[in-house]
Amino acid sequence: GDSVTQMEGPVTLSEEAFLTINCTYTATGYPSLFWYVQYPGEGLQLLLKATKADDKGSNKGFEATYRKETTSFHLEKGSVQVSDSAVYFCALRGNTDKLIFGTGTRLQVFP
Amino acid sequence: DSGVTQTPKHLITATGQRVTLRCSPRSGDLSVYWYQQSLDQGLQFLIQYYNGEERAKGNILERFSAQQFPDLHSELNLSSLELGDSALYFCASSPRQGLTTEAFFGQGTRLTVV
Repeated sequence: GDSVTQMEGPVTLSEEAFLTINCTYTATGYPSLFWYVQYPGEGLQLLLKATKADDKGSNKGFEATYRKETTSFHLEKGSVQVSDSAVYFCALRGNTDKLIFGTGTRLQVFP
Repeated sequence: DSGVTQTPKHLITATGQRVTLRCSPRSGDLSVYWYQQSLDQGLQFLIQYYNGEERAKGNILERFSAQQFPDLHSELNLSSLELGDSALYFCASSPRQGLTTEAFFGQGTRLTVV
């Protein structure tokens, strides 16, 4: 079945460092891909999405490119802030119409 | 604010009991999803409804059941509760089915079984 694999956390960075959180997927067909963010004590919020191969989703300085050849959707940000500390979830929606999530990656940014 | 409302925010109950979690989707959204988030299991998909009909089922226990009502709100019923059912339960909604559609999440209900 469809699945999403994320790098394990926590990822610990200093402010202004470069961020990469790896995400790979397994799915039949051509799924849509999403990144969600969960701040402490809150629900999940959509961060960005890409719906076809080579699409780049971007929001709030975060970017991810849908790479079909490597079945990946890695999340990147050029300069993280303390306020970016949260748990980040990669997700896909495929032919089954289910929205399938990875296990989440906790990001901790220190000043 | 996502527009998805979940009640109650917190629930503490004893083993063996039954509880009902409620979700009001965003205005106009036809799809409702339920997820369980526990520390060791991540975010697990439980069940999806679309316009009152069950659409997809995930890792939902037989002790759990859900439904979506004609006004599109949904309820998740958890019975014969066990300590391991303690978790955050999230509801999400989306306007329609479809590959490109994202879901909008509520703030969750934290269930503690003692």
